[in-house]
Amino acid sequence: QKEVEQDPGPLSVPEGAIVSLNCTYSNSAFQYFMWYRQYSRKGPELLMYTYSSGNKEDGRFTAQVDKSSKYISLFIRDSQPSDSATYLCAAYRGGADGLTFGKGTHLIIQP
Amino acid sequence: GAGVSQTPSNKVTEKGKYVELRCDPISGHTALYWYRQSLGQGPEFLIYFQGTGAADDSGLPNDRFFAVRPEGSVSTLKIQRTERGDSAVYLCASSLGYNTEAFFGQGTRLTVV
Repeated sequence: QKEVEQDPGPLSVPEGAIVSLNCTYSNSAFQYFMWYRQYSRKGPELLMYTYSSGNKEDGRFTAQVDKSSKYISLFIRDSQPSDSATYLCAAYRGGADGLTFGKGTHLIIQP
Repeated sequence: GAGVSQTPSNKVTEKGKYVELRCDPISGHTALYWYRQSLGQGPEFLIYFQGTGAADDSGLPNDRFFAVRPEGSVSTLKIQRTERGDSAVYLCASSLGYNTEAFFGQGTRLTVV
């Protein structure tokens, strides 16, 4: 079992819908949680960075972390065709440690 | 520079050859990471530098892979005796240090033929 699990999709929704993307993780030592967006043949772009449990909102994006259930979510409101990309969740223990990524979910927003 | 810069953007090499991939981090970032991303997968951690030293190289797959960061800025990932299985996108990221956001470059797409 990978330390961070993510459904690869594809997930297809109509424009304007609320999108829910999710990951689960197994390592209780993870303290920091991130969401990256990756367009085809580009590097990952940081969207959200959170510490421990709770919610964080930035524009149309909301990140949620529930450490008790080891569950990470990203919500996208008023989805746009330009949101079509692969969304990667990542977790990090802190200190001298690398990020552990999920496989990524391929999201398609239909115009 | 404004972001993490990686060169070359694409590299095609023959099996058995030696390659070097370069990463120029965001100015002032002391932490630098290398990751490898295969098709349809998330990035996999290779090595982490804090300053000039490799703080964690546990992700390097074998001794054909080596990375340096001699002056605490630019880093080079070196792969000896390349194999077809080394074909992937090699990503570099940098951050201000521990427990801070990491920003990625565009990657180097390595193809071993």
